[in-house]
Amino acid sequence: DTAVSQTPKYLVTQMGNDKSIKCEQNLGHDTMYWYKQDSKKFLKIMFSYNNKELIINETVPNRFSPKSPDKAHLNLHINSLELGDSAVYFCASSRRTGVLIGRNTEAFFGQGTRLTVV
Amino acid sequence: AQKVTQAQTEISVVEKEDVTLDCVYETRDTTYYLFWYKQPPSGELVFLIRRNSFDEQNEISGRYSWNFQKSTSSFNFTITASQVVDSAVYFCAPLGDEKLTFGTGTRLTIIP
Repeated sequence: DTAVSQTPKYLVTQMGNDKSIKCEQNLGHDTMYWYKQDSKKFLKIMFSYNNKELIINETVPNRFSPKSPDKAHLNLHINSLELGDSAVYFCASSRRTGVLIGRNTEAFFGQGTRLTVV
Repeated sequence: AQKVTQAQTEISVVEKEDVTLDCVYETRDTTYYLFWYKQPPSGELVFLIRRNSFDEQNEISGRYSWNFQKSTSSFNFTITASQVVDSAVYFCAPLGDEKLTFGTGTRLTIIP
């Protein structure tokens, strides 16, 4: 059973289109994330949700809109796609331990979605 | 905010050699967690280890070992008797502000 699964794995689309990437985790975690990895392998967080509540929104263009219908799902919708959006997008999940420092356990990542905008 | 430096962009070693990947981090937190992840050519991100800052014992897991030095803010990763399957990009990442901050990664190539 896949712990964190993303669909689709590959996505090729034209500029200006709108697309969505879905993510589901079956680990019982309460926190989910979207990370973007560029062509130089640099990984940067985009969003974080805890119990369906937005925790982190890192200066991401508002064309990107995450949606968390429940704790196990965090989808990413992208409007008006641009060439610069081409990247690998990773979904991840972790569990908030509730202690003061180091609030989260390790994050488990999905296999990534390679988005290519042409 | 956290910051991490992985000064080694690429390393190549011959199979069976030992190799150490360096990681230096910055944090304002007094206690924190540090992570290492592996990204093989297939692209997935694989969790390797989590270390909390108040436990400075070195850790060994098979051919992998980690040396945490709080005094120098370093969390280095050593692979002993490297194998071709160890070829990957390795990321060090401190946890802070509810997120992992990844370094730029070190691409390790094991030459058969």
